[in-house]
Amino acid sequence: EPEVTQTPSHQVTQMGQEVILRCVPISNHLYFYWYRQILGQKVEFLVSFYNNEISEKSEIFDDQFSVERPDGSNFTLKIRSTKLEDSAMYFCASTRFPNSPLHFGNGTRLTVT
Amino acid sequence: GNSVTQMEGPVTLSEEAFLTINCTYTATGYPSLFWYVQYPGEGLQLLLKATKADDKGSNKGFEATYRKETTSFHLEKGSVQVSDSAVYFCALISTSQGGSEKLVFGKGTKLTVNP
Repeated sequence: EPEVTQTPSHQVTQMGQEVILRCVPISNHLYFYWYRQILGQKVEFLVSFYNNEISEKSEIFDDQFSVERPDGSNFTLKIRSTKLEDSAMYFCASTRFPNSPLHFGNGTRLTVT
Repeated sequence: GNSVTQMEGPVTLSEEAFLTINCTYTATGYPSLFWYVQYPGEGLQLLLKATKADDKGSNKGFEATYRKETTSFHLEKGSVQVSDSAVYFCALISTSQGGSEKLVFGKGTKLTVNP
């Protein structure tokens, strides 16, 4: 069964550095998402992406965050200048149709020191 | 806005015990409802779903019924196993004014099943 893949599984970075989290959604999916989960807390929506543009973003998704679909397969989340509070598990998800279940990747654990 | 409230854990049960994890929602209209499961060290997996009132979602012995009158979607399993130990998230599809959709999650309930 096709699945969403995320790399790396764990990223450690210093405060102020830029990070790029990578995702390969399921190939025939059209809607893409990033969520994050701070340790022990709820899963929070960051951003949704469709037709090469952002559909919706949360308050968390400020100017330090950006998303891109540079080619037909990858979907990336960039954090320009990481802060300690950006430490979390970041999940990529995709779906083919609206109102359908999302398929999630296994996540990238980001640790900012 | 749309939101999900679920029973906070942790929940600890013995093998073969009955499980209920409560979930209620606040939403405009009748959103699709989901339960996702997160096993230790893994991502989120869809467990079951229901798309309209009175629908019952079921998978792997788990069930949940979409109750419009009580705005609830409680998760149940008649006999839990050690392998069911995980964090369970109730979620709904929320549609923005602009028409985009996203999943809104509850806080998650950690279940531990002891042999």
